[in-house]
Amino acid sequence: AQTVTQSQPEMSVQEAETVTLSCTYDTSENNYYLFWYKQPPSRQMILVIRQEAYKQQNATENRFSVNFQKAAKSFSLKISDSQLGDTAMYFCAFWSAAGNKLTFGGGTRVLVKP
Amino acid sequence: NAGVTQTPKFRVLKTGQSMTLLCAQDMNHEYMYWYRQDPGMGLRLIHYSVGEGTTAKGEVPDGYNVSRLKKQNFLLGLESAAPSQTSVYFCASSWEDNSPLHFGNGTRLTVT
Repeated sequence: AQTVTQSQPEMSVQEAETVTLSCTYDTSENNYYLFWYKQPPSRQMILVIRQEAYKQQNATENRFSVNFQKAAKSFSLKISDSQLGDTAMYFCAFWSAAGNKLTFGGGTRVLVKP
Repeated sequence: NAGVTQTPKFRVLKTGQSMTLLCAQDMNHEYMYWYRQDPGMGLRLIHYSVGEGTTAKGEVPDGYNVSRLKKQNFLLGLESAAPSQTSVYFCASSWEDNSPLHFGNGTRLTVT
């Protein structure tokens, strides 16, 4: 079974600075997808970024970018120029055709300080 | 744009009571899911459906039942609620199995 591990329960960052969230996963599959979701205090789950495992290029979405290291099974999220609205829980998630379901990590709570 | 709508938003049950959570999506998605969210454990899949009339078990299906009689609706039932089912429940839908999920706003359920 696939597992997703987020080793940082909480992180804080000053506004306008950069923070990196770690995510590692365990799988024997070669073809899969990785996601980062954001959950602000409103509780809504919002897709931040998606990465296909067969693509070597790291996905980016405005101030959000990933560092995908397939051999190391690592998928970290970098938030640049942090804004107060980035304060949220962030979840890493993994999907493969073999498992046919989205598996989530335990989450990292990010607090952006003014 | 409604997207995925869950009702109710909050509910308190006593042990042994039953209830049904309703999820409705207006995006014509084939796939629908029910997750529960507990502190430190992320979201865990309870049941899912790959199309109208189909359902399948996820990671934590015990104590729950589901039905997908119409493509746009996915119901989650608790026949005899237990305190261990206190959680926040999320419904989600997607075009395909590897597509990004669209989530509802969640239902906070407390079982006393």
